[in-house]
Amino acid sequence: DQQVKQNSPSLSVQEGRISILNCDYTNSMFDYFLWYKKYPAEGPTFLISISSIKDKNEDGRFTVFLNKSAKHLSLHIVPSQPGDSAVYFCAASTPNNAGNMLTFGGGTRLMVKP
Amino acid sequence: NAGVMQNPRHLVRRRGQEARLRCSPMKGHSHVYWYRQLPEEGLKFMVYLQKENIIDESGMPKERFSAEFPKEGPSILRIQQVVRGDSAAYFCASSKTEISNQPQHFGDGTRLSIL
Repeated sequence: DQQVKQNSPSLSVQEGRISILNCDYTNSMFDYFLWYKKYPAEGPTFLISISSIKDKNEDGRFTVFLNKSAKHLSLHIVPSQPGDSAVYFCAASTPNNAGNMLTFGGGTRLMVKP
Repeated sequence: NAGVMQNPRHLVRRRGQEARLRCSPMKGHSHVYWYRQLPEEGLKFMVYLQKENIIDESGMPKERFSAEFPKEGPSILRIQQVVRGDSAAYFCASSKTEISNQPQHFGDGTRLSIL
């Protein structure tokens, strides 16, 4: 049972344009959502997060949008740069006084072409 | 380097041997999480530990796998009698608190290969 899904395994974008990565979830108890970026042979690097009480969070070139009714979130990168080429994972956690284990999507490989 | 440190980065074992993976959390972090990533898949939660305590091991296989986070020293993920299916990247993450709005920070992982 995949509670967090990233339906696009890959995305190719031209440098300077917008990259939009999508993520869907099924568990309505998730209250905190994160995006991680991962280069080969490295660990995931935290990018940006959003609480379920918000619908948008922005940090520089990165903006995350949350649509709770649709159980959907997206990451916008604008303008996209070649260095953004990596695998992006969406993750979610539930309020839990026994820790905040993350449930990850399967990842989307972003390729930004110069 | 104040990040999460994992070692070894690569580990090769033959079937039936034991594998020990180590994780030192970020300075000031007392919450450690282990995740496993199979090829072409996302990360899957295995276990959550605080110092000297296992809090949630719901993602751990019932046999051969164990984890600890002693009072002194790194967290250890131990796999006994390894099988080919244990080949994966194992990532450790740490956080300062257990509150859900605190991001976890990951190490670069240990890539375990079983011959």
